[in-house]
Amino acid sequence: QEQLVESGGGVVQPGRSLRLSCAASGFAFRRYALHWVRQAPGKGLEWVALLSYDGKSEYYADSAKGRFTISRDNSKNTLYLQVNSLRHEDTAVYYCARVGGATYHHGMDVWGQGTTVTVSS
Amino acid sequence: DIQMTQSPSTLSASVGDRVTITCRASQRIDSWLAWYQQKPGRAPKLLIDTASNLRSGVPSRFSGSGSGTEFTLTISSLQPDDFATYYCQQYNSYLEMSFGGGTKVEIK
Repeated sequence: QEQLVESGGGVVQPGRSLRLSCAASGFAFRRYALHWVRQAPGKGLEWVALLSYDGKSEYYADSAKGRFTISRDNSKNTLYLQVNSLRHEDTAVYYCARVGGATYHHGMDVWGQGTTVTVSS
Repeated sequence: DIQMTQSPSTLSASVGDRVTITCRASQRIDSWLAWYQQKPGRAPKLLIDTASNLRSGVPSRFSGSGSGTEFTLTISSLQPDDFATYYCQQYNSYLEMSFGGGTKVEIK
């Protein structure tokens, strides 16, 4: 069964950092590009970042540039999102999701269950 | 940046109704568009890829059409399991992917 499982969320003070993880199983992790997508409470989906299958190409939403870093360890079948200088507006459920094909021109076909980040003092 | 505008934002319908949701892109995106269904407290589920390709396991009452800047998601006969929020997403530009604001389909 193809699966993504996020972890690392929690309650964090403004200005602190956090690293989210996304562990994959049931598919050839190293062959797929992966996204992070977030959803603030009661709001819609917001694309955050995309990382190529080999980790060499990264793409970010404007809201994530400068403070967010997407990375992966293909030997551990794990995707990461480092978030620095956390702000109240970063409060959201963070999902990792798989690109559903060999190129970026596909929808997101496998999603994790999400991990919740709450930025609060 | 490519802006995706969905309409309506909320739709009230009954079981058996034909439902159409529209998604407009601020610039041409060919057919690089996906539709997702999301239920409360759950992750989104991919329904349709490249504007009109139904994903395996998705009921045939769902269909997608369009290209360029205007796209539609149609549910031919609304079922109880279909009450959810639907999102479109463009992936024409992987430098800046984006979602529409969502359409909540409610019970009338």
